[in-house]
Amino acid sequence: DAVMTQSPLSLPVTLGQPASISCRSSQSLVYSDGNTYLNWFQQRPGQSPRRLIYRVSNRDSGVPDKFSGSGSGTDFTLKISRVEAEDVGVYYCAQGSRWPYTFGQGTKLEIK
Amino acid sequence: QLVESGGGLAQPGGSLRLSCVASGFTFSSYWMNWVRQAPGKGLEWVARINQDGSEKYYVDSVKGRFTISRDNAKNSVYMQMNSLRAEDTAVYYCARGFGIIWGQGTVVIVSS
Repeated sequence: DAVMTQSPLSLPVTLGQPASISCRSSQSLVYSDGNTYLNWFQQRPGQSPRRLIYRVSNRDSGVPDKFSGSGSGTDFTLKISRVEAEDVGVYYCAQGSRWPYTFGQGTKLEIK
Repeated sequence: QLVESGGGLAQPGGSLRLSCVASGFTFSSYWMNWVRQAPGKGLEWVARINQDGSEKYYVDSVKGRFTISRDNAKNSVYMQMNSLRAEDTAVYYCARGFGIIWGQGTVVIVSS
């Protein structure tokens, strides 16, 4: 199975400051079709997960452009340009290039 | 929109059947998934099924115990859960595709 390792697991951030989360896979996530199926999800307290980014760097509809994804192969990053109070929650990377699909452990973002 | 139901309290070794009804999109065109989240824990992709139900995939921990199915005429996907264990206790989410849409979840508790 592709093991997804996120860091940091806890991320205290001052309002208005940027934040960055790393996600590393134990295997290359490049699929046979040439695409890399790495998504980022946000889970606010008490809510269902919400997808923010698909295939490494594509923002889903309605996702603010302060969120951006990058990376390739086995190393990926989610960046938030300016953290706001509504960004509090847990962020997960997930790979869909090989079954079983797997999530990272989650990074808990809080306001410092 | 996705709406799950069928969760509840079950005894170890018992069974439950989860349902997820979809609306607002062409259900028969999409892979459907079940993802779970144990209390205070991260996300785990449990099973997925293709558009016509001919392909099904399961995470190892539920193979032989859980069965995913769908009824496109009813816009519904199901999870038959047998031989339940305490470690199956979780919120179970229904999700479309690679997590673009999620339901609100249904709680499964396995306890004597």
